[in-house]
Amino acid sequence: AAGVIQSPRHLIKEKRETATLKCYPIPRHDTVYWYQQGPGQDPQFLISFYEKMQSDKGSIPDRFSAQQFSDYHSELNMSSLELGDSALYFCASSHSERYGYTFGSGTRLTVV
Amino acid sequence: RKEVEQDPGPFNVPEGATVAFNCTYSNSASQSFFWYRQDCRKEPKLLMSVYSSGNEDGRFTAQLNRASQYISLLIRDSKLSDSATYLCVVNDPSGTGTASKLTFGTGTRLQVTL
Repeated sequence: AAGVIQSPRHLIKEKRETATLKCYPIPRHDTVYWYQQGPGQDPQFLISFYEKMQSDKGSIPDRFSAQQFSDYHSELNMSSLELGDSALYFCASSHSERYGYTFGSGTRLTVV
Repeated sequence: RKEVEQDPGPFNVPEGATVAFNCTYSNSASQSFFWYRQDCRKEPKLLMSVYSSGNEDGRFTAQLNRASQYISLLIRDSKLSDSATYLCVVNDPSGTGTASKLTFGTGTRLQVTL
């Protein structure tokens, strides 16, 4: 079965650089979520999209932005990277909340 | 106080043991509840949705008590492969959007040993 695809799997950037993370949800899933998970922490909600419109925002810094495109894939853009942005970034998609959310394998971002 | 609280871990149990995880949530408006399992450096994977009537899937049983805002997960006859972090996850419908976000507990680490 198709899963949520994230790219790249690993990314190393220097401070103040820019990064773009991509997410391809499961076909026919209408909602995409982005989460950030720091070392030893639980995933923190960043932002979500429903039918290509921004649905909700969590603890997403102003340096980050995201969008969902006509083909339902989503991109998380991160600028002026800081050391503290180093984390696992997960994308999840769902069709109906009752049946849960499927997570992608994540992008491990390391800022040096 | 965190919105979703779980037993602090780690739980170290021998193979074959029964282990129970507990979780409480603070948002009484939450309507969807899940248990996820997360292996080290991997993505969370849905283990079970949790319904008011309780549900069972093989060795796993989940219960929800809305009045107490309490969720539990029971694992019977634990296997070595059950070793992972178990995350209690609750939806938060308080946002402005159509799709409610998920709030995660900090997770409980389970280590099953021979």
